[in-house]
Amino acid sequence: DADVTQTPRNRITKTGKRIMLECSQTKGHDRMYWYRQDPGLGLRLIYYSFDVKDINKGEISDGYSVSRQAQAKFSLSLESAIPNQTALYFCATSRRQGEAFFGQGTRLTVV
Amino acid sequence: KQEVTQIPAALSVPEGENLVLNCSFTDSAIYNLQWFRQDPGKGLTSLLLIQSSQREQTSGRLNASLDKSSGRSTLYIAASQPGDSATYLCAVRVDSSYKLIFGSGTRLLVRP
Repeated sequence: DADVTQTPRNRITKTGKRIMLECSQTKGHDRMYWYRQDPGLGLRLIYYSFDVKDINKGEISDGYSVSRQAQAKFSLSLESAIPNQTALYFCATSRRQGEAFFGQGTRLTVV
Repeated sequence: KQEVTQIPAALSVPEGENLVLNCSFTDSAIYNLQWFRQDPGKGLTSLLLIQSSQREQTSGRLNASLDKSSGRSTLYIAASQPGDSATYLCAVRVDSSYKLIFGSGTRLLVRP
């Protein structure tokens, strides 16, 4: 089993719908992150969390929210999906200054 | 604001060639630098992590160097193979958030 698991792997949704992307990890890391990847723009940070009581906005948090349900689980929600949120989404984990590990990604298409 | 640049954006080499991928960053105040590999439509696989106090790291045919003062890192791939074809990303970890700032990647094609 993968150390960082994202579900679903692919999702097509309609504009205006609420959608949740889930991430779970077995690494035992305290830090978890959500990134999105767009062609030509690289990976950009959406939200990050240091523990279940700590949530922080990244550089592109507008239109997104997150929930850290447990140390091992970090979910990303799009409250009202729009087409420009079509992207590849990645969850990542790390310890304080340690190596970052990424999930396999969720390909989200908003039509 | 930290910016990470990777040059070239794409590279095509014949099998067996040794090659160097470049990564530069604008602010030398980094905690560490990490190289990743990404296959098309797939996740990121960590290759090497270099802490700010280190000069290089090696794993198999891969060697990564770090020169903080000049804001540069290189990833050296020895005896390249078609299976090395992928996009290679470098990322620096900055500030107390420990978030990663990514470059746009170098797309590598190793021709048989």
